[in-house]
Amino acid sequence: EAGVTQFPSHSVIEKGQTVTLRCDPISGHDNLYWYRRVMGKEIKFLLHFVKESKQDESGMPNNRFLAERTGGTYSTLKVQPAELEDSGVYFCASARAETQYFGPGTRLLVL
Amino acid sequence: AQSVTQLGSHVSVSEGALVLLRCNYSSSVPPYLFWYVQYPNQGLQLLLKYTTGATLVKGINGFEAEFKKSETSFHLTKPSAHMSDAAEYFCAVRLTGFQKLVFGTGTRLLVSP
Repeated sequence: EAGVTQFPSHSVIEKGQTVTLRCDPISGHDNLYWYRRVMGKEIKFLLHFVKESKQDESGMPNNRFLAERTGGTYSTLKVQPAELEDSGVYFCASARAETQYFGPGTRLLVL
Repeated sequence: AQSVTQLGSHVSVSEGALVLLRCNYSSSVPPYLFWYVQYPNQGLQLLLKYTTGATLVKGINGFEAEFKKSETSFHLTKPSAHMSDAAEYFCAVRLTGFQKLVFGTGTRLLVSP
């Protein structure tokens, strides 16, 4: 069984540009989560999808972040326009029940 | 708000020594508890979890953790460290009825020969 995959693995952009991160969950997992780790700090929850619906988006920092999960399969997280403080590692996780399985993360650097 | 405290951002041990990574949580209701490990250039991997039942939980690679409700702790241990255990370890909790994980700040384990 394939694990959670994320693309790209790394992204370097300039302030003001747009970046789109993609997450492919484990097949059959209805729950999909996004988390972020800013350097030196804890991993923080961003939002949770159940199939294509946003169940909890309480962790989204502001309206520059837009997450979608059309069709209930893969998900994208768009940052527009990117700011310096958006730099960090963005993790995606999926779950069928209480255990969340994480992808390798996308390392985003905003210059 | 739910919080998780991992004491020590870095822990150094010698190969063959006991590994003890500490995790305390704040919650009046016993949550689900998890330990994840991140090896260099890899994603988070589940080491072990506690949901209900036996409070001593065994995980992969010889690790185990004990849920102590009275101490609100879930410390991770391994009797004998191996060089391959060098990684960053994260404790996380999930309250019943909520889906999101709340993480500690992580502890980097360094193993010396």
